Amino acid sequence: KAGVTQTPRYLIKTRGQQVTLSCSPISGHRSVSWYQQTPGQGLQFLFEYFSETQRNKGNFPGRFSGRQFSNSRSEMNVSTLELGDSALYLCASSPDGRVRNTGELFFGEGSRLTVL
Amino acid sequence: KNEVEQSPQNLTAQEGEFITINCSYSVGISALHWLQQHPGGGIVSLFMLSSGKKKHGRLIATINIQEKHSSLHITASHPRDSAVYICAVRSMDSNYQLIWGAGTKLIIKP
Repeated sequence: KAGVTQTPRYLIKTRGQQVTLSCSPISGHRSVSWYQQTPGQGLQFLFEYFSETQRNKGNFPGRFSGRQFSNSRSEMNVSTLELGDSALYLCASSPDGRVRNTGELFFGEGSRLTVL
Repeated sequence: KNEVEQSPQNLTAQEGEFITINCSYSVGISALHWLQQHPGGGIVSLFMLSSGKKKHGRLIATINIQEKHSSLHITASHPRDSAVYICAVRSMDSNYQLIWGAGTKLIIKP
């Protein structure tokens, strides 16, 4: 079974640009969550999607947005990039069942974004 | 005060030692996760607990729901166990959002 796939793995952007990151969950998983990891801040929750609906949202500005498609693949977008957006962006999928949020987490390798 | 507190923040031990990492939380939870992240590596789920105790190889995780506390133990520690160990809880008080601890950086010296 293929794991969680995140693309691209590495990217460099300049301030003011926008970026779109993609996450393909494990087949059959309907829950996808996104996290930002920086050396000083640890893991910060961005959003969580389940069956194309945003279920939870972290405390990030509106420049950070996301969506989930009918095949459970998810994208996140960051507009008007700032230097502080440089980070590792991690995606996790979960086999969420009828009882909410009871699934184990499976993480992708992450997309490392550098903003110059 | 953070809703999920891990201790210690950093831990250095000799190979073979018994390791304990603690996680305390202040919210009602539906599950608690222990995860591992090696330097420059991805995050791997070790355990998901809602009660009692789980064991996988040299790793043991326990949870006390009444005391809102969980521990991760490593027996016969090895240098390859060197990693950051992260505790996260599914908070019933926050729409089942995952709330993350700051992590414990473990170094096992040969």
